[in-house]
This record gives sequence, C-alpha cells and structure tokens, in this order.
Amino acid sequence: HSALTQPASVSGSPGQSITISCSETSSDFDGYNYVYWYQQHPGKAPKLMIYDVSNRPSGVSHRFSGSKSGNTASLTISGLQAEDEADYYCSSYTRSSTLGVFGTGTKVTVL
Amino acid sequence: EVQLVQSGAEVKRPGESLKISCKASGYIFTSYWIGWVRQMPGKGLEWMGIIYPGDSDTRYSPSFQGQVTISADKSSSTAHLQWSSLKASDTAMYYCARQYPSSSSAYGMDVWGQGTTVTVSS
Repeated sequence: HSALTQPASVSGSPGQSITISCSETSSDFDGYNYVYWYQQHPGKAPKLMIYDVSNRPSGVSHRFSGSKSGNTASLTISGLQAEDEADYYCSSYTRSSTLGVFGTGTKVTVL
Repeated sequence: EVQLVQSGAEVKRPGESLKISCKASGYIFTSYWIGWVRQMPGKGLEWMGIIYPGDSDTRYSPSFQGQVTISADKSSSTAHLQWSSLKASDTAMYYCARQYPSSSSAYGMDVWGQGTTVTVSS
C-alpha cells in the first residue's frame, strides 16, 4: 500500500525556520486533503499539530504550519525553539490504502 | 475534560491471549472514531485499525487484519484491542486515540491515551 517518505532528520538553530517534507509514492495522494502532522517527544504520546493539510488544532502554536503541493505535504516550524526538538510524523489516507498510513518519521534537532 | 485512560503494562508469554482497554470520558463516546496505533521499540508509528463506537464499524490495516481484534463497549465507553495468540514481535507500546471533532477524516486524532506497554517473552 501507499508509503509516505520523510527525511530521517532535520536540524536548525533557535529562531530559524525548518520544513519537513512528506512524499507519497503513488498517484492517490493528489487531490486529497487528509494530511495530518504529529509531534512526539521521547516517552510521550503523539500530539496532533496539523489536520486536514493546513489547519491547527486549538492550542497549537502559530509557529507550526502545513501545506501540500502535488504528492508532497510539508510541515514548517518557524522561530524554532528548544521545545520543538522531537520526532514528527505525517499521516494520510488515500484511495489505495484501506486505512491511514504514517510517514517514516523525522527527528528534528535544535542546534 | 476529554481523556482516554489505558490499562496498565502487560507481560505475557508467546501464545497467550491478551485484551487491553482504553476508557473514554468527557465526551460522547459513540460520536467519534477511536484508533489504535502500535510503536515498536525505537521505531515509528503504525496505524493498526479504527472503530466507530456508534455502530462498531471497524477497519483494519492490512498488516494487522486477522492478527488483532478491535472492539468497543458502549455501556462502559471503552475500546479494546485483543490478541488470541501473542508473539514476541507483538512487543510494543500501544496507543489509543480519538478523532479530532474538526477533522475531515478519522485519522486526525487529538486526544491520546497514555499508552500500554506489552512485553511478550518466554
């Protein structure tokens, strides 16, 4: 079934902006607005950061934003802070999947 | 307060059965999808399946179809994940999560349980 590929790691200095990509390998991704981003700190449960491609749940910082172009979704973190150091996973649901799938995960390091 | 409280850590032998739980409170249990997610040690997240407690509509990821059973008890607002015969490879953290009300699909999950660690070892 569909695979969602993310870079293994992304790093940035405090205050900088970073972008994490999430690429889908089939043609089913385009046209669908079911993209989600989760943040997971070590030993903690995941936290929903973005839903439906670009919407922030209440309580999530405006420094987090999501977008999608063709088969690639992106999560941008602006004004990087030490607390943003965590693993990030995209998730989506496509026509070829009988269920949602998670991306491979990206470790964000704040230098 | 909306919350999901999962049952405690389990240590089992290969071949044993197991049922773990996820008790919901603070919202209408039957109105939102509940999902189960596996995280093996040091690995990423995997969707196992989802259930809509209102009508027990259940969908399984191909990797987990036939390996686990997901159910929901409306009377106790509790979702369950069960195995009939555990394997060492089932050793993992298991999370339940609830659909975010504003999400267009079941996979935007905003409330998560604390996780249940399952260890299967002989």
